[in-house]
Amino acid sequence: NAGVMQNPRHLVRRRGQEARLRCSPMKGHSHVYWYRQLPEEGLKFMVYLQKENIIDESGMPKERFSAEFPKEGPSILRIQQVVRGDSAAYFCASSPDRGNEKLFFGSGTQLSVL
Amino acid sequence: GENVEQHPSTLSVQEGDSAVIKCTYSDSASNYFPWYKQELGKRPQLIIDIRSNVGEKKDQRIAVTLNKTAKHFSLHITETQPEDSAVYFCAASIRPSGTYKYIFGTGTRLKVLA
Repeated sequence: NAGVMQNPRHLVRRRGQEARLRCSPMKGHSHVYWYRQLPEEGLKFMVYLQKENIIDESGMPKERFSAEFPKEGPSILRIQQVVRGDSAAYFCASSPDRGNEKLFFGSGTQLSVL
Repeated sequence: GENVEQHPSTLSVQEGDSAVIKCTYSDSASNYFPWYKQELGKRPQLIIDIRSNVGEKKDQRIAVTLNKTAKHFSLHITETQPEDSAVYFCAASIRPSGTYKYIFGTGTRLKVLA
């Protein structure tokens, strides 16, 4: 079991560009969570998805940010028209089907906006 | 709204001493409480967890206690070693509408002095 896979590990974008972060959950996991972590700070919940459905996006900024988890392929966190304040580490986590609540994290994507 | 408070934010102990980190949560419906360890530049890793039907759980040098009435839970590390130095996060899971949501504390930076 390869664990939760995130790519890229590091992503550099200029202001106004788009950032796409990918997350493949652990095998057998159908729940995906995205968190943002600023330096020296905690993990801020952004969005919770199951296959083809957004379950809870209460932590997502209303503009420029979107997430999806298609039937086939990884979950994608998309940030349009990035600004310097978007610079952070973005972690994806996955958990199995209902009944087991353990969250397993990927290695994160460090986004730097120039 | 849901909130998890964590104290202290930083903690320094001598090697061999014990370390205690405390968290409080606001939602009485919370029923699962994991603890994560995050080393610099790495992913958060689950180290121990406890469910609401249990008051205490121990795994070698690590233990967690839960007081549901007071809505607080604590991480205890005994015989600390330099490799225990890291940031520790507590979390509480809730199910606002049949789906899991995880709220994290702000983290405790533990430094074990050799």
